[in-house]
Amino acid sequence: DGGITQSPKYLFRKEGQNVTLSCEQNLNHDAMYWYRQDPGQGLRLIYYSQIVNDFQKGDIAEGYSVSREKKESFPLTVTSAQKNPTAFYLCASSSGQGARQPQHFGDGTRLSIL
Amino acid sequence: AQSVTQLGSHVSVSEGALVLLRCNYSSSVPPYLFWYVQYPNQGLQLLLKYTSAATLVKGINGFEAEFKKSETSFHLTKPSAHMSDAAEYFCAVSEGSGGYQKVTFGTGTKLQVIP
Repeated sequence: DGGITQSPKYLFRKEGQNVTLSCEQNLNHDAMYWYRQDPGQGLRLIYYSQIVNDFQKGDIAEGYSVSREKKESFPLTVTSAQKNPTAFYLCASSSGQGARQPQHFGDGTRLSIL
Repeated sequence: AQSVTQLGSHVSVSEGALVLLRCNYSSSVPPYLFWYVQYPNQGLQLLLKYTSAATLVKGINGFEAEFKKSETSFHLTKPSAHMSDAAEYFCAVSEGSGGYQKVTFGTGTKLQVIP
């Protein structure tokens, strides 16, 4: 079955450390997204990519970085500059054929501070 | 700018009772609207979507939603709640063209089903 795989499911970060969250999709989707979810705040967009080797900042990009070297993969790095990284991170993808297409989500990575 | 308001962060219903989760939106263009469900420690799953065809949209698990342009609403309903419906529900509005899609999510409504 096609879908989105996020790993690891749980991740712990030490002070001053960068950590990378993995997101892989086999849906042949062009567009991929990273969201941060905090209790009571819904989902907030961190970065998105419409095509390989191109990505754009979302609403809360500070302290995060991404790459899109392959269509299937869109890893997110949480850098030491992100002072409040504890959250649930969701990766999503869509066909990239406009606003009417739903987004498909992975099962998330929960990041905590040690 | 588009926005979504979900009234009620928590809703409790008895098993077998009507489920009504409210969503109001604002959008500068005809909107595309979605409802997603999230179970604990999981991602979001699509329940249903409105893409300017029929105003009454049927989704999975017996849920449906009605698009009312005059009220800018897209409320989610289910005639009879089941214990397995306990989850968090998100309404979302989508805008964009070409490959660009901007999705704005509501803050979510947690549904509790009481036996």
